[in-house]
Amino acid sequence: GDSVTQMEGPVTLSEEAFLTINCTYTATGYPSLFWYVQYPGEGLQLLLKATKADDKGSNKGFEATYRKETTSFHLEKGSVQVSDSAVYFCALSRSGGSNYKLTFGKGTLLTVNP
Amino acid sequence: GAGVSQSPSNKVTEKGKDVELRCDPISGHTALYWYRQSLGQGLEFLIYFQGNSAPDKSGLPSDRFSAERTGGSVSTLTIQRTQQEDSAVYLCASSGNNQPQHFGDGTRLSIL
Repeated sequence: GDSVTQMEGPVTLSEEAFLTINCTYTATGYPSLFWYVQYPGEGLQLLLKATKADDKGSNKGFEATYRKETTSFHLEKGSVQVSDSAVYFCALSRSGGSNYKLTFGKGTLLTVNP
Repeated sequence: GAGVSQSPSNKVTEKGKDVELRCDPISGHTALYWYRQSLGQGLEFLIYFQGNSAPDKSGLPSDRFSAERTGGSVSTLTIQRTQQEDSAVYLCASSGNNQPQHFGDGTRLSIL
């Protein structure tokens, strides 16, 4: 079945450091890929998405590129801020669209210190 | 409101009792999903409604779990004879056609 594997946390960085959170997936066909973020005490929010190979999703300085050859969708940010502290979830959805259930990774807790 | 609304936000109940969790999706969204978030299992899919089609119940963990969606809008997730392992945050999401899923803030369920 479908699965998502992301690096285990917690990840602790200093402000302005470079961030990478690795995510790889297993799925049949051509899934859509997502990063969701959960800030403390809040619900899940979509951070970015990519729907086909070589697409790059970006938002709020975060980027991730859909790499079909390595079945990866690593999240990066060049300079993190304290406000980026949250749990990050990588996810996939089959059928190329969003009208289908999401399969999530286990989440990575990021803490950014001033 | 404009977002997905879930109630109650917190629920504490005794083992063996039944509970009902409510989800009010974004107006016009045809798809509605329930997920469960727990420490040991992460985020798991439970059930998916799409328009008038039969729901995808493949993620429900046991026959104690059921859900319905009345009039294509509000959904209720029911857990019968609750067990301690049912303690989790239950998340609801909705989406429009080929749009990303929008999540509610969840219901934190604690079984004593």
